Amino acid sequence: GESVGLHLPTLSVQEGDNSIINCAYSNSASDYFIWYKQESGKGPQFIIDIRSNMDKRQGQRVTVLLNKTVKHLSLQIAATQPGDSAVYFCAENMRENGSGGSNYKLTFGKGTLLTVNP
Amino acid sequence: DAGVIQSPRHEVTEMGQEVTLRCKPISGHNSLFWYRQTMMRGLELLIYFNNNVPIDDSGMPEDRFSAKMPNASFSTLKIQPSEPRDSAVYFCASSFLGQNQPQHFGDGTRLSIL
Repeated sequence: GESVGLHLPTLSVQEGDNSIINCAYSNSASDYFIWYKQESGKGPQFIIDIRSNMDKRQGQRVTVLLNKTVKHLSLQIAATQPGDSAVYFCAENMRENGSGGSNYKLTFGKGTLLTVNP
Repeated sequence: DAGVIQSPRHEVTEMGQEVTLRCKPISGHNSLFWYRQTMMRGLELLIYFNNNVPIDDSGMPEDRFSAKMPNASFSTLKIQPSEPRDSAVYFCASSFLGQNQPQHFGDGTRLSIL
């Protein structure tokens, strides 16, 4: 089956540098993508999302880029801080056709561990 | 604002025992999801509900697992009998129904089966 995967399982950066976390997806029909941050002992926390009719979206210190041609998603974190250290997951929203209409569920990548060095 | 609330946060029990995990979704959300997270398999969707109705339970590993959603503000995931390989962190998430709706997660239940 199709799945979401990550290029790098770990990323180590210096405090203040920019971080880029990458994700490849394989389902060309996916039309909505989300980045989550998971800290130790906590559940995944929503960071930012993007629809397939966009190629870039910016939030506070974060930017998500979507390249549908090569099915690639990235999360950029500006001026990375120690509090950004966590596992980051990308997720794609997949539609299922059911008797009651369309239903949606997320498929998650395996995650990238970001470590910020002081 | 209250997020997704899960209980208990930690559960340690012996194999063969029944385990019940609980979830209260965000008020107003009408989709609810149960996930299991392990180091080996990552985050796996077990089952999800729309408007309290189970839609897709293909991720439920075995008949030992069952989930219910008796009303819009409560869901349970039950394992009976439990086995050591069920040890994992179980997450509940909720969202508004429909396209382009982000899921919001609780902080999970860490389950250890001895």
